[in-house]
Amino acid sequence: QKEVEQDPGPLSVPEGAIVSLNCTYSNSAFQYFMWYRQYSRKGPELLMYTYSSGNKEDGRFTAQVDKSSKYISLFIRDSQPSDSATYLCAMSGKGGFKTIFGAGTRLFVKA
Amino acid sequence: GAGVSQSPRYKVAKRGQDVALRCDPISGHVSLFWYQQALGQGPEFLTYFQNEAQLDKSGLPSDRFFAERPEGSVSTLKIQRTQQEDSAVYLCASSLERAGGYTFGSGTRLTVV
Repeated sequence: QKEVEQDPGPLSVPEGAIVSLNCTYSNSAFQYFMWYRQYSRKGPELLMYTYSSGNKEDGRFTAQVDKSSKYISLFIRDSQPSDSATYLCAMSGKGGFKTIFGAGTRLFVKA
Repeated sequence: GAGVSQSPRYKVAKRGQDVALRCDPISGHVSLFWYQQALGQGPEFLTYFQNEAQLDKSGLPSDRFFAERPEGSVSTLKIQRTQQEDSAVYLCASSLERAGGYTFGSGTRLTVV
């Protein structure tokens, strides 16, 4: 079993929909939780960064962390075709530097 | 520079050839990371530098892989005697601190034929 599980999709939604992306993990030592967006042939781009449990909102993006369930989510409101990309969840422990990534979920937003 | 710069963007190597991949991190970023990303997968940790010190190399797949950052800025990932299974995108990332999010480069796509 992988430390971080993420449904690879693809997930296809119409423009304007609310998108929900999720990851589960097994290592209770994880304390830093990130979401990255990766366009084709580009490096991952940091979208959201959360320390420990709770919610964080940034524009159309909301990240949620539930450490008791070992479950993290990213919500995208009013999705746009430009949101079409692969979304990677990532997490690291107290030491911080060794980040473990999920396999990524491919998202397609149709105009 | 404004971002993390990696070169070359694409590299085709014959099996058995040695390759060297370069990473220019954001100026002033103390932490530098190398990751390997296979097709359809998330990045996998290879190694971590804090300034010139290589603090963790536990992710390097074999002793054919070697990384250095001699002056605490530019880093080179070297792969000796390349094998077909080394084909992947090699990503470099840097950050001011060791925890939290990184800034990634666009990667070097290595194809071993």
